[in-house]
This record gives sequence, C-alpha cells and structure tokens, in this order.
Amino acid sequence: RKEVEQDPGPFNVPEGATVAFNCTYSNSASQSFFWYRQDCRKEPKLLMSVYSSGNEDGRFTAQLNRASQYISLLIRDSKLSDSATYLCVVNPRTGGFKTIFGAGTRLFVKA
Amino acid sequence: SAVISQKPSRDICQRGTSLTIQCQVDSQVTMMFWYRQQPGQSLTLIATANQGSEATYESGFVIDKFPISRPNLTFSTLTVSNMSPEDSSIYLCSVEDLPGAGNTIYFGEGSWLTVV
Repeated sequence: RKEVEQDPGPFNVPEGATVAFNCTYSNSASQSFFWYRQDCRKEPKLLMSVYSSGNEDGRFTAQLNRASQYISLLIRDSKLSDSATYLCVVNPRTGGFKTIFGAGTRLFVKA
Repeated sequence: SAVISQKPSRDICQRGTSLTIQCQVDSQVTMMFWYRQQPGQSLTLIATANQGSEATYESGFVIDKFPISRPNLTFSTLTVSNMSPEDSSIYLCSVEDLPGAGNTIYFGEGSWLTVV
C-alpha cells in the first residue's frame, strides 16, 4: 500500500460544478496534512492546510478523518482557473519525519 | 513564508555533462530539501541538505550522482552528474517551516532540465 494514495483522475467538470477529492494515508501517526496545487510546468504551491476540525477558504473546504485515515478537498462553484493538479501531502512528524506527496489528482474545468 | 530562488530556471544539456543548480533562500532555514519531478510523475525526494555535513539521501539516490552542498542556512546546490536523458526532469528546492509552524513546505520555482 502506498503511503499516500489519490485518485489520479482526470476529473472533467463544467464550470460551476462542485467536485471532491479524497486522499488516504497509511501512517496513523501522521500529524500534518496539506493540499497543494500544481499548475502545468510550475512548482507546487500550498493551497491549504487541513486541520482536525476542518477548514474552509472561500470555495475550498478541507476535511480530515483520522479514524478512516483520509483527507478530502471540496471545491464549490468550480472556475476555469481551478484546472490544475491537486497534491495531497502528509507529514508524519515522527522521528526522522519526511513529508510524503501523493501523485496528484488532475482537474479540468470546462466552460 | 520564505522566498526561494533557483537558478538556472531551465537548461538543455548534453549527455555526459554535469549541471549545478543553486537555491537561495531569503531567510535562514533549518530544513532544505531537493526534489525531482519527472514528466507526468509526482515529486520524489532526492535528499535533505544538511548544513555543515553530508546530505541525507533517499533510497535510489547517491552522492556520486547528485552531490549536494549546504554551506550555510540560506544556500544549497544540487549537481546532476554525468547526465543521461533519464535525468530530464524538474528539480525543486524546498524549505520547511519550523516544526511549530505546521511543517509546511515551500518550493522554489524549479529548474527544468532537458538532457539530449
């Protein structure tokens, strides 16, 4: 089992749609969780951190489910500019911790 | 967050040659990393650049192929040695926030390397 798994997609959605991505992680001791966005031929950029209580930033909502070991990202009212690859990122924060990147979920938002 | 500058931003190199990528951070950081992202793939950690000591390499990466320097807390270099077309990739320098700040990772803009 991979340490961090994501559905690679692609997700093809029309503008205005709501889309959700899930990401599962294998290390139950993981402490920090993030979603990054990566545009084509660009570096990954932090989209949002994921807190135990969940968090929302405009059209984006992130949730953490420790019992089932997954995090989710919900995008409401999709825009063309949301087209990108979304990377799930997990940091175990244990001794010798190493941040683990998921392979990413590709999203295409179409007019 | 730290501002990270990498250079070169892109290069086309002949096989068998070596290229050194520089990473400059605008503040002192404890943790600096080098990642590789091959076309269509996710990020793979090459090594952790340790200030004043040898880098810590991940499985599959060795110092002879990817020598790394970290002379101080704001600067690091990665050399890709004896390049082959399989080394064509984006190489990313990254830093990590202080542990108390959530361990967020920030990336430089990357160095796009094409080996011909």
